Amino acid sequence: SQTIHQWPATLVQPVGSPLSLECTVEGTSNPNLYWYRQAAGRGLQLLFYSVGIGQISSEVPQNLSASRPQDRQFILSSKKLLLSDSGFYLCAWSPWTESSYNEQFFGPGTRLTVL
Amino acid sequence: AQKVTQAQTEISVVEKEDVTLDCVYETRDTTYYLFWYKQPPSGELVFLIRRNSFDEQNEISGRYSWNFQKSTSSFNFTITASQVVDSAVYFCALSEVMIKAAGNKLTFGGGTRVLVKP
Repeated sequence: SQTIHQWPATLVQPVGSPLSLECTVEGTSNPNLYWYRQAAGRGLQLLFYSVGIGQISSEVPQNLSASRPQDRQFILSSKKLLLSDSGFYLCAWSPWTESSYNEQFFGPGTRLTVL
Repeated sequence: AQKVTQAQTEISVVEKEDVTLDCVYETRDTTYYLFWYKQPPSGELVFLIRRNSFDEQNEISGRYSWNFQKSTSSFNFTITASQVVDSAVYFCALSEVMIKAAGNKLTFGGGTRVLVKP
């Protein structure tokens, strides 16, 4: 069966510090991968998605970036965090099939607080 | 552009009451998928159901049921005989028409927080 991992689970960082969040998927190959952010009490905002190694699409311009160095690894980074980067970051994957409408499966999330 | 609206921000019920969550969507696509997810206090989103735009049959799964009405662009979710464990935020989502090269992006509604009191 497939599983998705995220770490760290929680993170408190000062403004201006760098960020690296990691997401890995097990039990599948060539998944689509996604990064979402959920601000407190609000809905989900898609930040990045990837359909393959090295292929990253950005949905929202910001000081965050994403990379996919391996098939099942997705990394969210920042060189300098802002207060507005605080939130709950969720990684998700969907299977690579002929259908474009497969549901996404979410990881446990990382709660980031920028002080 | 795609849009999903969940007008109810929060619903509070007493255990064993039924609760219906509204979801209204906008899309220009003739083929699309709709989803419901549950987000318990732990934070992880749990997939509940997927429904395609060609299948308007209502679906029931245990105490959960879904009413898809294409004519009104709605995909409502009902929890029957609610329990405390149903307390969570519920999200409705819409899938764009996408080819593999572009992934399949979901547009989420703002979510409805359900609080079931004992």
